[in-house]
Amino acid sequence: EVQLVESGGGLIQPGGSLRLSCAASGFNFSRYWMHWARQAPGKGLVWVSRINGEGSNTTYADSMKGRFTISRDNAKNTLFLQMNSLRAEDTAVYYCRVSSGAFDYWGQGTLVTVSS
Amino acid sequence: SYELTQPPSVSVSPGQTARITCSGDALPKKYAYWYQQKSGQAPVLVIYEDSKRPSGIPERFSGSSSGTMATLTISGAQVEDEADYYCYSTDSSGNRRVFGGGTKLTVL
Repeated sequence: EVQLVESGGGLIQPGGSLRLSCAASGFNFSRYWMHWARQAPGKGLVWVSRINGEGSNTTYADSMKGRFTISRDNAKNTLFLQMNSLRAEDTAVYYCRVSSGAFDYWGQGTLVTVSS
Repeated sequence: SYELTQPPSVSVSPGQTARITCSGDALPKKYAYWYQQKSGQAPVLVIYEDSKRPSGIPERFSGSSSGTMATLTISGAQVEDEADYYCYSTDSSGNRRVFGGGTKLTVL
């Protein structure tokens, strides 16, 4: 059974940093591109970033580029999202996701709240 | 930056056909995907690669794409299909992904 479990969310002050993790199981983690998406309260889904199976190729949404860094540890089947210089508008549920055609699974998300 | 445009809301009566559109300049060359999200839950893939249906998704869900518009069709919509629906695709470079703004489907 495929499982994706995010962690690391919480309350953080503006300008602060946070590192999210996503523990994956039930599939060959290193073979798949992995993604992060987010959803602000009451708003739509926003794609954040993706990383290839080897960890050598990354892409970011324009609004996150330079502040967010995606990475992975294939030995530990774990995906990360390092978020720096956080702003109030980064408040959202952050989801990790694996997607390849019909093979598409999401975690339940972790809530990040940026507020003073 | 690249955008996918969806209507904010669609409303149908039970048993009617619901159609949700998604427009984007790169859609003639890039696949569209459709996600269903019910309140408080993670999204679920209902259509991939324009028109393919994952296993476990009811046959009443179908997808099509023509030119710069992709369409999700729910034939004989049921009350349990009430949800937010998002299209998803790639920009023309193939690097960045994007979600549409979402469409709230009401079935009543």
